[in-house]
Amino acid sequence: DTAVSQTPKYLVTQMGNDKSIKCEQNLGHDTMYWYKQDSKKFLKIMFSYNNKELIINETVPNRFSPKSPDKAHLNLHINSLELGDSAVYFCASSQDGSGAYGYTFGSGTRLTVV
Amino acid sequence: KQEVTQIPAALSVPEGENLVLNCSFTDSAIYNLQWFRQDPGKGLTSLLLIQSSQREQTSGRLNASLDKSSGRSTLYIAASQPGDSATYLCAVNRGTYKYIFGTGTRLKVLA
Repeated sequence: DTAVSQTPKYLVTQMGNDKSIKCEQNLGHDTMYWYKQDSKKFLKIMFSYNNKELIINETVPNRFSPKSPDKAHLNLHINSLELGDSAVYFCASSQDGSGAYGYTFGSGTRLTVV
Repeated sequence: KQEVTQIPAALSVPEGENLVLNCSFTDSAIYNLQWFRQDPGKGLTSLLLIQSSQREQTSGRLNASLDKSSGRSTLYIAASQPGDSATYLCAVNRGTYKYIFGTGTRLKVLA
């Protein structure tokens, strides 16, 4: 019944590897997001998608490639992982891009690069 | 550029106290503002969503107010309990496909 679900919850990997995080929402929302929470707990937008289309790419390195196969899914693929990529990544969704009804967040994926 | 600041950064209070968390934003042209709580190692739980046309919203012991013209929102927690211990985040929305988050307030309520 989880509204926004992310997998995996934890990810530990070596530098240089490629990894993916998956996100699915069952709320019927049109807009999905990826946020990164750094070690100081600050949350920053990475990408916004509306109905499978990229709307915002907030100066994220091109090693990060989001993909939205349909409006209920937004996956994040990361190439050539670096130590600085260690963070918690949150997926979120909203009814539309206005966010008029608020955002719903997933439980996060804690990525540790060693 | 919208900047969102939360004061205080951390707060420790005895159980039963009423407390106020502050959120300030630099650009008053907002669509709405949402308060979240985040428990350690967990995701974000929505507490209150307050639209730009509203002055306040209430849910149980929580009350959020919004003064758009002065760029401020406050979250009032009545009769605090140890279970309220968490990080509280405010997020400002300009209706442009992204929330701008505040820096957070870490709250600890002592039994």
